[in-house]
Amino acid sequence: QKEVEQNSGPLSVPEGAIASLNCTYSDRGSQSFFWYRQYSGKSPELIMFIYSNGDKEDGRFTAQLNKASQYVSLLIRDSQPSDSATYLCAAGAEGGATNKLIFGTGTLLAVQP
Amino acid sequence: DGGITQSPKYLFRKEGQNVTLSCEQNLNHDAMYWYRQDPGQGLRLIYYSQIVNDFQKGDIAEGYSVSREKKESFPLTVTSAQKNPTAFYLCASRDRGLAKNIQYFGAGTRLSVL
Repeated sequence: QKEVEQNSGPLSVPEGAIASLNCTYSDRGSQSFFWYRQYSGKSPELIMFIYSNGDKEDGRFTAQLNKASQYVSLLIRDSQPSDSATYLCAAGAEGGATNKLIFGTGTLLAVQP
Repeated sequence: DGGITQSPKYLFRKEGQNVTLSCEQNLNHDAMYWYRQDPGQGLRLIYYSQIVNDFQKGDIAEGYSVSREKKESFPLTVTSAQKNPTAFYLCASRDRGLAKNIQYFGAGTRLSVL
């Protein structure tokens, strides 16, 4: 059973701090990794994707991938109360013509003003 | 304005009733997906379709059915065989181009049992 695991939280950080969200995955064949943000009662919104080992930065967000350790993380710099949401990590389950995503259960982030 | 449209936003099902959730996309994406999300849970895959007139079961297909007669449309029917249908249902589509494997979501349909 292919799995993606996340700490459910809540992760509480003060406004302006760095929030660090972590995720591990079981399928060594996964080649693509995604972070989605989901506000309460809303649908997931893609915020970052990463395919290669190392860091990828986009504004206040940095995604980090370590395929040897099967570990993905998301750093949010200068956290704002508007960043408070559940963050879903997903790993690609690629096989032949099939492309699916395996989602973690999400980490709830609370940014305290 | 491109996107994925799900309707209705809220839906109520009576005992023994089948209900159909609509998903339409104008992004010209080939692949479409249906997920179910329960409170505090991640997304679980119900059905997916890589191309018109073809679809595959996901992890929790029992009690659900789909069709893919047009590229733009992928409706989901929740049948009376699904005994615990109350959940948030999300439709997604995927671009098979350069943006590998990225899925975009509609706004969702919240289904409740009367």
